[in-house]
Amino acid sequence: NAGVTQTPKFQVLKTGQSMTLQCAQDMNHEYMSWYRQDPGMGLRLIHYSVGAGITDQGEVPNGYNVSRSTTEDFPLRLLSAAPSQTSVYFCASRGTGYNSPLHFGNGTRLTVT
Amino acid sequence: AQSVTQLGSHVSVSEGALVLLRCNYSSSVPPYLFWYVQYPNQGLQLLLKYTSAATLVKGINGFEAEFKKSETSFHLTKPSAHMSDAAEYFCAVSVSRPAGGTSYGKLTFGQGTILTVHP
Repeated sequence: NAGVTQTPKFQVLKTGQSMTLQCAQDMNHEYMSWYRQDPGMGLRLIHYSVGAGITDQGEVPNGYNVSRSTTEDFPLRLLSAAPSQTSVYFCASRGTGYNSPLHFGNGTRLTVT
Repeated sequence: AQSVTQLGSHVSVSEGALVLLRCNYSSSVPPYLFWYVQYPNQGLQLLLKYTSAATLVKGINGFEAEFKKSETSFHLTKPSAHMSDAAEYFCAVSVSRPAGGTSYGKLTFGQGTILTVHP
C-alpha cells in the first residue's frame, strides 16, 4: 500500500519558472490537501479539495494553483516561482469523518533562486 | 475558527527523563485533536488522536496525551525519553462541524516543538 506519493523529492527553480508538484494517493480518500512547512511556522495550508472537481483555498494560496480531475491525484502548480516559495511541500489526504487523521507524503523540498 | 498553540519551540530532556510537550487549542465547537511526529527529512506520522471516546489517549512509541476541556489543553507525555524520540512534534485540531461551504475536514497545526534527547 503506497499511501500518499509525492514527486519530485527535490527541485531547484529559477525565479519566474513554473512547475507542477505531483501528488497521488491510493486510499480512495475524498479529502486532499497541500501544506508548506517553513522553520518556526509549522504547516500552513495552501489549497485543499474535498472531491474531484472541488477545490478551495487555504491560508496561503497566492502563487499556487490546483485542480482535482480524479480522486487519486491532486497536483500543485507554481505559476511563476519566487524565492518566497522556497519551502518543503507536503501533500496529505484523509478519509471521511472529522476524526480521521491526515496521511502525509514524504515531501518535496523546493528551492527557488 | 480553530487554532493551536504549542508552548516551547524547543524542549530538551535527558534520556530516561519525562517528556512533556504542551498544546493548547481554541475552538468554539468540540474539537478533534491530534499529535504528529516528524523525523528528519520525512513526512509527518500520526502519534495519537483524541476523538471524545476517552480523555486519556495512548499512542505509539509509549506516548500518551490527556484532553482537558477546562484547560483547553492536550499535552503530550512520555514517562521515559529515548534517544530515538528526538524529532519535531506537531499538535493539530479539527473541528467537528463545518463553518460552512467546503471548509470541513481541515486540520490546523501548531508551530511545532523540536524535542532533543541528551544521553
